[in-house]
Amino acid sequence: RKEVEQDPGPFNVPEGATVAFNCTYSNSASQSFFWYRQDCRKEPKLLMSVYSSGNEDGRFTAQLNRASQYISLLIRDSKLSDSATYLCVVNTRYNNNDMRFGAGTRLTVKP
Amino acid sequence: DVKVTQSSRYLVKRTGEKVFLECVQDMDHENMFWYRQDPGLGLRLIYFSYDVKMKEKGDIPEGYSVSREKKERFSLILESASTNQTSMYLCASRTYVDTEAFFGQGTRLTVV
Repeated sequence: RKEVEQDPGPFNVPEGATVAFNCTYSNSASQSFFWYRQDCRKEPKLLMSVYSSGNEDGRFTAQLNRASQYISLLIRDSKLSDSATYLCVVNTRYNNNDMRFGAGTRLTVKP
Repeated sequence: DVKVTQSSRYLVKRTGEKVFLECVQDMDHENMFWYRQDPGLGLRLIYFSYDVKMKEKGDIPEGYSVSREKKERFSLILESASTNQTSMYLCASRTYVDTEAFFGQGTRLTVV
């Protein structure tokens, strides 16, 4: 089983739609969680961290469920510029701080 | 601005060649990583380093080795390049486990 698994996608949504991505992780010792965004032919960049209590940044909301070992990302009022691949990232400390990515979920927002 | 620089954007090498991919960061980060990214498979961890001369295997270390002689530089070595190592290689660095990671622009390696 992969350490980090994501919805395979692709997601094709109209502008203004709300879309949600999920990501599950297998290691209960995982300590910190992030969502990264990767545009076509570019390197990944941090979108937001995921905190235990959940956190919001404008149209983006991230949630963590430790009991079920998953994180989620909700995008409200989708914009054309949200089209990208979204990667969840799970960090653990037990193995000297490795950092593992999900395979990514591709989102296309259409006019 | 944090900068992570990879030595080449595009590289073409022949089967059996020894290949060096270099990554340099300018923010005194402790952790550095090498990933390869393939369609449908996402980023897969090859090796990471949490300090100078320290390294840990990731998920797919076979056919690769790494070197970290100085804190700012992390090198990925393909001992004998094979066609199945054709991929996009991404280097990343960060301070500690709970901090943002910064990526280089990637190296598109083609082994012919």
